[in-house]
Amino acid sequence: QSALTQPASVSGSPGQSITISCTGTSSDINSYNYVSWYQQHPDKAPKLMIYEVSNRPSGVSSRFSGSKSGYTAFLTISGLQAEDEADYYCSSNTRTSHVVFGGGTKLTVL
Amino acid sequence: QLQLQESGPGLVKPSETLSLTCTVSGGSIRSTIYYWGWIRQPPGKGLEWIGKIYFDGTTYTNPSLKSRVTISVDTSKNQFSLTLTSVTAADTALYYCARQHNWNYGRADFDYWGQGTLVTVSS
Repeated sequence: QSALTQPASVSGSPGQSITISCTGTSSDINSYNYVSWYQQHPDKAPKLMIYEVSNRPSGVSSRFSGSKSGYTAFLTISGLQAEDEADYYCSSNTRTSHVVFGGGTKLTVL
Repeated sequence: QLQLQESGPGLVKPSETLSLTCTVSGGSIRSTIYYWGWIRQPPGKGLEWIGKIYFDGTTYTNPSLKSRVTISVDTSKNQFSLTLTSVTAADTALYYCARQHNWNYGRADFDYWGQGTLVTVSS
């Protein structure tokens, strides 16, 4: 199984919106709506931000939203804040009940 | 509040076996709604899924590691464990245990994570 493809880095200014893409294959993203997104600050464990493509767990800001089109899932952060600066990872379930992660995207808030 | 805590040696010699245990507190590992998984992160790199186990012992393992990985569960202790054989420097990583929703119940995400434990492979 191959890792999902994410851009290595994205950046934006406070108040702006950014979108991170996550591209998979017919064996994962295109086949299921089990895409999730994780935020990881330095030296911290990953935190679930989005599950089932577009659902937010309790306590996650509504500034975070998710979507999917075909083989690609997207994480959008609106009203960018300094605290959003972190690494973001997507993941998906696969046809064989395995899990695959993206390579991670470093978000810089300018 | 559910908590997961990894434990095990922080240093393993090349060619030897890495063994870690994850202790779950604040909830039962016997739940049908969840799998219990292992994920690792080499220093400065991304997340890699290692595998997962169900309370009945059913396991799924990353094909790239399958021949070296064993995941087991001890429901009496509310723990699950990871063993990785024939380790090399490439296995040096922060190892996380996490709870994963069972996709047969509509979700498949990791919602609770341990803090992670660094395992270094070095002689």
